[in-house]
Amino acid sequence: HLTQSPSSLSASIGDRVTISCQASQYIGDFLNWYQQKPGKAPKLLIYDASNLKTGVPSRFSGSGSGTEFTFTISSLQPEDTATYYCQHNDDFPYNFGQGTKLDIK
Amino acid sequence: EVQLVESGGGLVQPGGSLRLSCAASGFSFSSYWMHWVRQVPGKGLVWVARINSDGSGTRFADFVKGRFSLSRDNTKNMLYLQMNSLRVEDTAVYFCSRELVGATPFDYWGQGTLVTVSS
Repeated sequence: HLTQSPSSLSASIGDRVTISCQASQYIGDFLNWYQQKPGKAPKLLIYDASNLKTGVPSRFSGSGSGTEFTFTISSLQPEDTATYYCQHNDDFPYNFGQGTKLDIK
Repeated sequence: EVQLVESGGGLVQPGGSLRLSCAASGFSFSSYWMHWVRQVPGKGLVWVARINSDGSGTRFADFVKGRFSLSRDNTKNMLYLQMNSLRVEDTAVYFCSRELVGATPFDYWGQGTLVTVSS
């Protein structure tokens, strides 16, 4: 089970944004982060807790291991408005967090 | 170019059946595990099922066990989700996605297909 927080977040352009994801049991670094915009499929941003998918802007980053994980946007851009999800792929079921809806102030 | 294209969604009555398909192209389909993830419009993502690369092993979320089955045809690069005994709560957009074990998981997704279970 993954607990993601906050559930919603409003920030200004250029702000540093942080989202947390806590696992109910040890999952090593089997933790991924996705971005989803309305009406679209999710997009993988970070895999294995801290690896940036090729082509994803470097302002996105992930850290953590074990049970505590953090997703960071270093300088928020207008196109970052979206819902963000964590997900583990340690063992089945591959649960997702509840999502964090991020919008621009 | 990697592409995953779902089809087969639609309106079905409670207790009915539906088969979703996911057509894959642009990659070595037989090397990848394939997954289904669903999303009730306006709600979060929920993992549904996985089939391993040669089709010999499947795993399901508890809420679909015994009702859904998975298969794949590696000669046609096709993934199938057979959904039986459908319930109103199965209404969702269903996405297929891929996972290369030991590498990037869920790095490509289809556009989704909407399943509506209603009388």
